[in-house]
Amino acid sequence: GENVEQHPSTLSVQEGDSAVIKCTYSDSASNYFPWYKQELGKGPQLIIDIRSNVGEKKDQRIAVTLNKTAKHFSLHITETQPEDSAVYFCAASDNQAGTALIFGKGTTLSVSS
Amino acid sequence: NAGVTQTPKFRVLKTGQSMTLLCAQDMNHEYMYWYRQDPGMGLRLIHYSVGEGTTAKGEVPDGYNVSRLKKQNFLLGLESAAPSQTSVYFCASSSTSGSGDTQYFGPGTRLTVL
Repeated sequence: GENVEQHPSTLSVQEGDSAVIKCTYSDSASNYFPWYKQELGKGPQLIIDIRSNVGEKKDQRIAVTLNKTAKHFSLHITETQPEDSAVYFCAASDNQAGTALIFGKGTTLSVSS
Repeated sequence: NAGVTQTPKFRVLKTGQSMTLLCAQDMNHEYMYWYRQDPGMGLRLIHYSVGEGTTAKGEVPDGYNVSRLKKQNFLLGLESAAPSQTSVYFCASSSTSGSGDTQYFGPGTRLTVL
C-alpha cells in the first residue's frame, strides 16, 4: 500500500518568512494529494490540494508543487503570520483501499512575531 | 449546517469497558471514515463506509467495530477497551471517494483507557 513520509517534523520561522514542508509517497498510482491544517484542539481542515495532472497550484499565500517523477510534493507558505502556527499534514490517495487517504505524520509549524 | 459532529468530546474508560462513539454529518455525504491520531503517528484509518449499510476495514481495524445504519451516522464501537486504544478519534466524511474529494473532519473525541 501507499506510504507517505513528511519532513520536517517541526519548523520554526519568523513572521514574514517563508515555510516549506515536503512529502514523499511510494505508490506511483496515487493521484490526489491534499494538505490539511490542524489547529490545537480541532479537527484537520483542508487548505489546498493537487491532482496528478497538475504540477503547481496556488491559493493566495499558499502553494503546492508536485513532482510525479520523483514522487514528492511540497507545501509553500509565504509571508507567514502567527495564525499560520498549527500542525500540517500531507496525504496521498491510497488506490488499493479505493477511498482512503494515507497521511504523513505531520509538521508542527511555529511562527514567531 | 453543523458539518461533522462527534459525541462525546471526552471519555475515560477502564480496561475492559465498552463504549460507542457517534459521528453525524448533515452534508448528505456518501463516504464516512474513522481515524485515530496518536502523537507522532499522524492520522490512521480505522474503518470506513462507502454508503449506508456498508463498512470496510482500514489500516488499524483490530479492536474496533463500526456500523452505518443511517446515511448520516457512523458509529465506532470498542467492545473491550485496552490502554493501547487511548487516542484522539476523528470522524470524517466526503461526498465521493476520499481519495479524490475533500474529507471534512469532526472536532474529535479524546479517549483515555486506564
